[in-house]
Amino acid sequence: DTGVSQDPRHKITKRGQNVTFRCDPISEHNRLYWYRQTLGQGPEFLTYFQNEAQLEKSRLLSDRFSAERPKGSFSTLEIQRTEQGDSAMYLCASSLGGRDEQYFGPGTRLTVT
Amino acid sequence: GEDVEQSLFLSVREGDSSVINCTYTDSSSTYLYWYKQEPGAGLQLLTYIFSNMDMKQDQRLTVLLNKKDKHLSLRIADTQTGDSAIYFCAENSGYSTLTFGKGTMLLVSP
Repeated sequence: DTGVSQDPRHKITKRGQNVTFRCDPISEHNRLYWYRQTLGQGPEFLTYFQNEAQLEKSRLLSDRFSAERPKGSFSTLEIQRTEQGDSAMYLCASSLGGRDEQYFGPGTRLTVT
Repeated sequence: GEDVEQSLFLSVREGDSSVINCTYTDSSSTYLYWYKQEPGAGLQLLTYIFSNMDMKQDQRLTVLLNKKDKHLSLRIADTQTGDSAIYFCAENSGYSTLTFGKGTMLLVSP
């Protein structure tokens, strides 16, 4: 399978715990994006990387959120001290370049209890 | 600011054509996209159109763009029950991020 993959697909955690999600983009894609989608809404942009450089962060990305792409391949998104409002689907996408179409992974559904 | 709006729901019968509409506000948008999302799944890219085009056809899908009115539509010919899903319109006005609408739920009945 040469598409975007995400792990885990589902995560249930208690409020206050830390969680980390992983995204593996399509192998030759330089750009990697994180979006968040809540029920009944479209995806909202969180952050993106060009290779290993994090170039833009949304105001949605509070200080509790951090993302990395250390070798310009896979990326991780960590949420510290989770809150119930963090419950959402976290989607990763990748593209060849900035003007190219973005391909999405299956998402990680986070439930904070 | 950027905003993308879509009607929330569309119901059609199998074999009919479906037309899903979208309006956007950012006149600098260079690409406009249609994605499909099935329950519990990620987004599948269906098609996209560059802003200097009026129409694009891809098998059963036809995209129409009215740049003056900032209106985009997706027509699905011979709609099948497998087309039932949520369809998102998105714009890429810069070099990076996509701005999505809230999605249109398409329900196809036999």
